[in-house]
Amino acid sequence: DARVTQTPRHKVTEMGQEVTMRCQPILGHNTVFWYRQTMMQGLELLAYFRNRAPLDDSGMPKDRFSAEMPDATLATLKIQPSEPRDSAVYFCASREGETQYFGPGTRLLVL
Amino acid sequence: KNEVEQSPQNLTAQEGEFITINCSYSVGISALHWLQQHPGGGIVSLFMLSSGKKKHGRLIATINIQEKHSSLHITASHPRDSAVYICAVRLYFGNEKLTFGTGTRLTIIP
Repeated sequence: DARVTQTPRHKVTEMGQEVTMRCQPILGHNTVFWYRQTMMQGLELLAYFRNRAPLDDSGMPKDRFSAEMPDATLATLKIQPSEPRDSAVYFCASREGETQYFGPGTRLLVL
Repeated sequence: KNEVEQSPQNLTAQEGEFITINCSYSVGISALHWLQQHPGGGIVSLFMLSSGKKKHGRLIATINIQEKHSSLHITASHPRDSAVYICAVRLYFGNEKLTFGTGTRLTIIP
């Protein structure tokens, strides 16, 4: 039963610290997405990759956020420095055909 | 004004009732998605539509491109259908960016 995995599942950190979130997409899926969900804004697309190349990162604050796919089995989302307003659930998803498969999310709390 | 509007925001119904959740959007789109978010937070993609109607089990999704409107129907609703249902639109062919509605929280009472 293939699924998208994300680590860590929960992260509490202090303002100013670096946060790295990791995602392992389903093997063979060539399109990978990073989303953020907050109570105020709902779900928002931060960035997405196709064949490991970034195609759209317009939803991401460029000064502090970065997203990469070092290889086909790993996508990373980094925040440096983190701020309290970054507190949210961050979802990774990978796509095959019409369907996006979501990971369980990383719940981030920045104090 | 949000480009994607869902109604109702909250819906409570008795088990067995026929459920309709609506999604309206203000711009031309290339596709529309319906997602289900479980109480534990997990998100499942239900449908992607660009025209007409799709059915999967007790779930039916329809879209009217001219009216910029989509509906998600649940027949013979069950407490396990309790979740937040989210509509999302893809604006452009070739760009996979989705714009999301704020969701409809559905509660089915046994």
